[in-house]
Amino acid sequence: DTEVTQTPKHLVMGMTNKKSLKCEQHMGHRAMYWYKQKAKKPPELMFVYSYEKLSINESVPSRFSPECPNSSLLNLHLHALQPEDSALYLCASSPEGQLSGANVLTFGAGSRLTVL
Amino acid sequence: GENVEQHPSTLSVQEGDSAVIKCTYSDSASNYFPWYKQELGKGPQLIIDIRSNVGEKKDQRIAVTLNKTAKHFSLHITETQPEDSAVYFCAASEGTGNQFYFGTGTSLTVIP
Repeated sequence: DTEVTQTPKHLVMGMTNKKSLKCEQHMGHRAMYWYKQKAKKPPELMFVYSYEKLSINESVPSRFSPECPNSSLLNLHLHALQPEDSALYLCASSPEGQLSGANVLTFGAGSRLTVL
Repeated sequence: GENVEQHPSTLSVQEGDSAVIKCTYSDSASNYFPWYKQELGKGPQLIIDIRSNVGEKKDQRIAVTLNKTAKHFSLHITETQPEDSAVYFCAASEGTGNQFYFGTGTSLTVIP
């Protein structure tokens, strides 16, 4: 299994809603990432979990709350979002801690979020 | 920190022609350079990568070259096909770290 699976594919929410994005990988990767991507722009890093611990938070507003329940799962909890948060949210994973070779990043298909 | 520049931002080629996309980076500590292809409505897909101990790498119609001295690397697609139409992103990283610095993307259109 060489996939990163994200659900839901599409999500529409109001500014007062609470929702979650989910990500799963079964490649044995020990690092998992959340990226935000606006149309025609490169992915922007939000969070990195390494060995299930938050290792990077790129000064993301607290209305985005990541969670890593185990080494295969990554969630992004959403609350009180703004319309400008509408974007494609990409999950990715990488092997981490390899003795040789680069830390290769594998992306999921993304969750398209629309905030009304 | 690292700064990755990518050119051109848009590229149109006739089917069967070659396409070249160029990236430059600023941090000499970067030693891993992946290229991603992103089709409409999908996530970025790794198509080829190169490490700093290699100058060129090929995979069928796709090749990547790296010039460490000049700090630039390029993606070459030969015999382009309509299904090559997509946005291509270059990236740079320190290899074992979690920071990947992306270029701004190139929208490639292959005209049948």
